[in-house]
Amino acid sequence: DVQMTQSLSYLAASPGESVSISCKASKSISNYLAWYQQKPGEAYKLLIYSGSTLQSGTPSRFSGSGSGTDFTLTIRSLEPEDFGLYYCQQYYEKPLTFGSGTKLEIK
Amino acid sequence: EVQLQESGPGLVKPSQSLSLTCSVTGYSITSNYWGWIRKFPGNKMEWMGYISYSGSTSYNPSLKSRISITRDTSKNQFFLQLNSVTTEDTATYYCARYRSYAHVADYWGQGVMVTVSS
Repeated sequence: DVQMTQSLSYLAASPGESVSISCKASKSISNYLAWYQQKPGEAYKLLIYSGSTLQSGTPSRFSGSGSGTDFTLTIRSLEPEDFGLYYCQQYYEKPLTFGSGTKLEIK
Repeated sequence: EVQLQESGPGLVKPSQSLSLTCSVTGYSITSNYWGWIRKFPGNKMEWMGYISYSGSTSYNPSLKSRISITRDTSKNQFFLQLNSVTTEDTATYYCARYRSYAHVADYWGQGVMVTVSS
């Protein structure tokens, strides 16, 4: 199975700041990488797929980059509603696998 | 708007079967792929499997022969059955719609928490 590693389990930042969340794959997955956001009481939201393509409805302050094994989700100019859990998921091969999640807390 | 809603018992005894239903509105399950994902205490996520628009299935090998995903197209529902559960199957279970051309889940249910305990 492709192991996905999110090295940061927790991150705190203030509104207006920029943050980056990294995700590393145990083998090359090309750009078959998605990012999801989960907020308490809400359904998971697909933010980005194909490594860098914004899902319809995702604010433009979100961006994704990377290919191969190293990927980054960047949120520019944080808004208070950006708190939550962020997961990466590879879909290069089955079984689909997720990172361990990064909890973003707004200071 | 596509909406998914999980339902099923919140408590299952060890060695028994876990059965969940995902009711879909706003979109036909005869298109796309429809899957189950679970989140364990501590936030680890696991893809369990999916059923396609044609009824074919794909499962996570880690679940071996314990899992079955079926559907009822007349009710626009699909189902998860997980046999011989243990306490390690305690998790929040989510159903989701996957895109046909990429296995990304673009719509999710709210999730249902299932505890395995005697």
